[in-house]
Amino acid sequence: AQSVTQLDSQVPVFEEAPVELRCNYSSSVSVYLFWYVQYPNQGLQLLLKYLSGSTLVESINGFEAEFNKSQTSFHLRKPSVHISDTAEYFCAVSGVGGATNKLIFGTGTLLAVQP
Amino acid sequence: DAGVTQSPTHLIKTRGQQVTLRCSPISGHKSVSWYQQVLGQGPQFIFQYYEKEERGRGNFPDRFSARQFPNYSSELNVNALLLGDSALYLCASRMDRVNEQYFGPGTRLTVT
Repeated sequence: AQSVTQLDSQVPVFEEAPVELRCNYSSSVSVYLFWYVQYPNQGLQLLLKYLSGSTLVESINGFEAEFNKSQTSFHLRKPSVHISDTAEYFCAVSGVGGATNKLIFGTGTLLAVQP
Repeated sequence: DAGVTQSPTHLIKTRGQQVTLRCSPISGHKSVSWYQQVLGQGPQFIFQYYEKEERGRGNFPDRFSARQFPNYSSELNVNALLLGDSALYLCASRMDRVNEQYFGPGTRLTVT
């Protein structure tokens, strides 16, 4: 079984400042890792994913995350945030080779970007 | 290309009633999963269907059921609604074993 911990329920940050959203996971098998973003009253959008290969993955809008197997982490970072990045961010994990490949989500982190 | 679509967008039901939610996956995607997202929490896995067969079920009571049709669309049914069933119900589709899931906008269910 897998589990995901997002310790920060809310992260306030000023526009153009850097940000890190933390995600730790627990699993007895190899995992796939994901970050999803949810804007108010909308569904989830896939932001980036780690399936295999390079441990550093990037999104088209400047976010990046690094898979750290020894620390069982997949923190999300952005060097300079914009007001439009304000949203709820969910980290998710799925076990490799499982029958369902269901996603296990964390409780989410609200990124609140202030001018 | 159309993404995952869900209907209805919003729904208000009374305790004890039954509800059916609908999902159409991205064209070519054969797998559909359903998730429940209670306000302030992350989504919780309910069901997964692949090629019209149930491939997984989360920790939800038997009041929850689902099915997948030959065109890969899916329905989620919830019987004997409880206040605690109020949530955003999300549908996600993926092509096959590749584990990149795409979510629809969700159906907001309110039980009064």
